[in-house]
Amino acid sequence: DAEITQSPRHKITETGRQVTLACHQTWNHNNMFWYRQDLGHGLRLIHYSYGVQDTNKGEVSDGYSVSRSNTEDLPLTLESAASSQTSVYFCASSPPGQDYGYTFGSGTRLTVV
Amino acid sequence: DAKTTQPPSMDCAEGRAANLPCNHSTISGNEYVYWYRQIHSQGPQYIIHGLKNNETNEMASLIITEDRKSSTLILPHATLRDTAVYYCIVRVYGGATNKLIFGTGTLLAVQP
Repeated sequence: DAEITQSPRHKITETGRQVTLACHQTWNHNNMFWYRQDLGHGLRLIHYSYGVQDTNKGEVSDGYSVSRSNTEDLPLTLESAASSQTSVYFCASSPPGQDYGYTFGSGTRLTVV
Repeated sequence: DAKTTQPPSMDCAEGRAANLPCNHSTISGNEYVYWYRQIHSQGPQYIIHGLKNNETNEMASLIITEDRKSSTLILPHATLRDTAVYYCIVRVYGGATNKLIFGTGTLLAVQP
C-alpha cells in the first residue's frame, strides 16, 4: 500500500547543529508540505513544493530549507538548530487540484538542547 | 484564504451526534470548506470537504449554509475514539494556492 513515512520519529540535537528530517511518500503525489506544531499555535506551514525542483516558503520558513530532487522525497533541513525549533514536525502530501485531502505522516519530535 | 472561527472546545456524550460549528463569513465563491481532525500526537486526518452542497461520507456529514458563511460538521454517533481536535479550513482552488492553513481548531471531548 502507498504510504508517507517520516524519519526519525524522535531526535535530540544540540544548538547550532545542522539537522535533516526525512519525508518519503509512495503515493506519487506532486504536492508535499512541511508543518510544525507547537502548543498554543496549532499547525504552521514551513515550506511546500508543487513538484520536482519547485519549493516555496510558508508562514514560518526562517531557519529551514527544503529541496525537491524527485517526486517521492522532501527533506527538511534546519541549517543551525535553535531551541525555538523544538517542535513536532509533520510532513504531508496531496495530488494536485482541489478535490483531494492531504495525507499526513506520523510526525518527528525534535528536541534542540 | 478566508479565516475561520471555531469554539475552542466542546463536549459530547458517547453515542450522541456531535455538531461542530465553523464560521467563515469572508469565504469567497471559489473557496472550499475542509475538515480535518487530529487525534493526540498523530498526524491530521482528512474528514470531508464541500463547496456549496451538503456532503456525507462514511465518517461525517458537512452542512453548509446557503450563504456559505458558516458550516457544521456532524459526527452522527460519536465514540470515545472521536475525541480529537477538529480543524475547519477554507482554501482557494488551484495549484498555486493549494495549501492548507490551519487554525487552532475545536477540541471535542466525547464523554462516556
